Amino acid sequence: AQTVTQSQPEMSVQEAETVTLSCTYDTSESDYYLFWYKQPPSRQMILVIRQEAYKQQNATENRFSVNFQKAAKSFSLKISDSQLGDAAMYFCAYRSSNAGGTSYGKLTFGQGTILTVHP
Amino acid sequence: KAGVTQTPRYLIKTRGQQVTLSCSPISGHRSVSWYQQTPGQGLQFLFEYFSETQRNKGNFPGRFSGRQFSNSRSEMNVSTLELGDSALYLCASTGSHTDTQYFGPGTRLTVL
Repeated sequence: AQTVTQSQPEMSVQEAETVTLSCTYDTSESDYYLFWYKQPPSRQMILVIRQEAYKQQNATENRFSVNFQKAAKSFSLKISDSQLGDAAMYFCAYRSSNAGGTSYGKLTFGQGTILTVHP
Repeated sequence: KAGVTQTPRYLIKTRGQQVTLSCSPISGHRSVSWYQQTPGQGLQFLFEYFSETQRNKGNFPGRFSGRQFSNSRSEMNVSTLELGDSALYLCASTGSHTDTQYFGPGTRLTVL
């Protein structure tokens, strides 16, 4: 079974600064997807960024980028020019790309990192 | 396109009762997954439905069940509620040509 670990329960950053959230995972599969989701106080889970394991190029979405290290099974999220609206719980998630059985529709989540942004 | 919707948003029940939660996926999405979120256990996968068939199930007791209708709307049911069932229940939908799950706002269930 796959596991996802976020070792930082809480992080803080000053507005306009950069912060990196860590995520490691364990899998025996070679093809899979990784995601970062953001959950603000409203509890709505919002997709931040996704990465396909077969792509070596790190994904970027505006101020958000990832550092994907497949051999190390590491998937960190970098937030540049942090804004007050970035304050939320951030979850790293894994999804198998294998169709069938226990893979259908299942995301495996880490425990989350609470990000505080100071003005 | 409208996003994933969940009803009701808040629910208070007592132990022993049963509850039904509803999820309407994004138009055109046929896969619906359900998750339970609690402070202690985090986010845990309940089950996934596609074209009215349950394709995958997490490690939850049989009191947790679900179904999907021909219009892809899904319901989950919890019978004989226990205090530990108090949680945020999230559903997510996935389109046929994407691997990304899009979440609804959740239903907050409180069991007294």
